[in-house]
Amino acid sequence: QVTLKESGPVLVKPTETLTLTCTVSGFSLSNARMGVSWIRQPPGKALEWLAHIFSNDEKSYSTSLKSRLTISKDTSKSQVVLTMTNMDPVDTATYYCARTWIRDAFDIWGQGTMVTVSS
Amino acid sequence: DIQMTQSPSTLSASVGDRVTITCRASQSISSWLAWYQQKPGKAPKLLIYKASSLESGVPSRFSGSGSGTEFTLTISSLQPDDFATYYCQQYNTVFRTFGQGTKVEIK
Repeated sequence: QVTLKESGPVLVKPTETLTLTCTVSGFSLSNARMGVSWIRQPPGKALEWLAHIFSNDEKSYSTSLKSRLTISKDTSKSQVVLTMTNMDPVDTATYYCARTWIRDAFDIWGQGTMVTVSS
Repeated sequence: DIQMTQSPSTLSASVGDRVTITCRASQSISSWLAWYQQKPGKAPKLLIYKASSLESGVPSRFSGSGSGTEFTLTISSLQPDDFATYYCQQYNTVFRTFGQGTKVEIK
């Protein structure tokens, strides 16, 4: 069964760095054309794409958040990690990881993890 | 970045209605468009990819059309399980973007 699961802190303080981990199962991050994105959704608002990493380690970032984001993967651990620096209350959201493969669309999503930014 | 604009933002409809949601891209994205359904508290679910291809397991009452800058998602006969929020998303470039969503409510 193909699954993705997000993990990380529930609460972070303003100015802190957020580190989220997406652990995948049922497929390999090294498969050709495989990719994983991070996407977030503030409460009651729309989805926002953040970053993507491909199986060849090519990376892409949201233009508006690029300076704060770093995406990486550890194929041996089946994990994709996102770090976001200088967190602010407006970054409060549910953070999802999602897979792309042959379809290139997000065909499998994690359940999401809610992160609140507050002092 | 490519901007995606959905209309309407909210749609009130009854069971059995034919429903159409429109998504417009700020520049041509060929057919690199997906549609997702999201229910409260749940992750989005892929319905349509490459503008008109139905994802496996998705009921055939869902269909997608369009290319270039204008796309539509159609639900041929709205069912109780279809009341949800729908998002379009472009993947013409490595900088993927979503529309702002269309909420389908019970009339």
